[in-house]
Amino acid sequence: EPEVTQTPSHQVTQMGQEVILRCVPISNHLYFYWYRQILGQKVEFLVSFYNNEISEKSEIFDDQFSVERPDGSNFTLKIRSTKLEDSAMYFCASVLGARVSNEQFFGPGTRLTVL
Amino acid sequence: ILNVEQSPQSLHVQEGDSTNFTCSFPSSNFYALHWYRWETAKSPEALFVMTLNGDEKKKGRISATLNTKEGYSYLYIKGSQPEDSATYLCALYNTDKLIFGTGTRLQVFP
Repeated sequence: EPEVTQTPSHQVTQMGQEVILRCVPISNHLYFYWYRQILGQKVEFLVSFYNNEISEKSEIFDDQFSVERPDGSNFTLKIRSTKLEDSAMYFCASVLGARVSNEQFFGPGTRLTVL
Repeated sequence: ILNVEQSPQSLHVQEGDSTNFTCSFPSSNFYALHWYRWETAKSPEALFVMTLNGDEKKKGRISATLNTKEGYSYLYIKGSQPEDSATYLCALYNTDKLIFGTGTRLQVFP
């Protein structure tokens, strides 16, 4: 069964460093998302991406964050200069199309720890 | 800001018990409600996507109902098994994104 994959599973970085989190969505999906969950809090939306551009972003997704789909398969989230409060589990998701009844398929997450 | 709430936060049951949890959400401008099952270190797994008031969906021993007029959904597990132990998340679909509840952590003891 096709699945969303994410690498690495765990990333440890120093405050101020850049990190790139990688995702491979399901191959025929068209819509892509990043979410995150800070420990003990709700899973929260960061950004959605369609047709090679951002379609919506949350207040969290400031200038330090960027997303890219550099080729036909990868979808990346870059944090330019990490802060302690960026420590969280980051989930990538993909959806086949725009119907509200379509499932969002999630990857297993990347746990980011900023020291 | 849309708020999705789930209760209880955690639940401990014996194998064979049936259980249910609640997801509450704003009833205006409803599009869809998603239920996910999430085991640690694995991908959240979609259980149901519910769109119509009065919807009832079933997958094996797990079922869910939806009331969009009063803004709630119930998830039921009949005859809980240890492998049902997981966090169950509900999420409201809103303009292209999901707004999640806090989750209900279920532990089933043999």
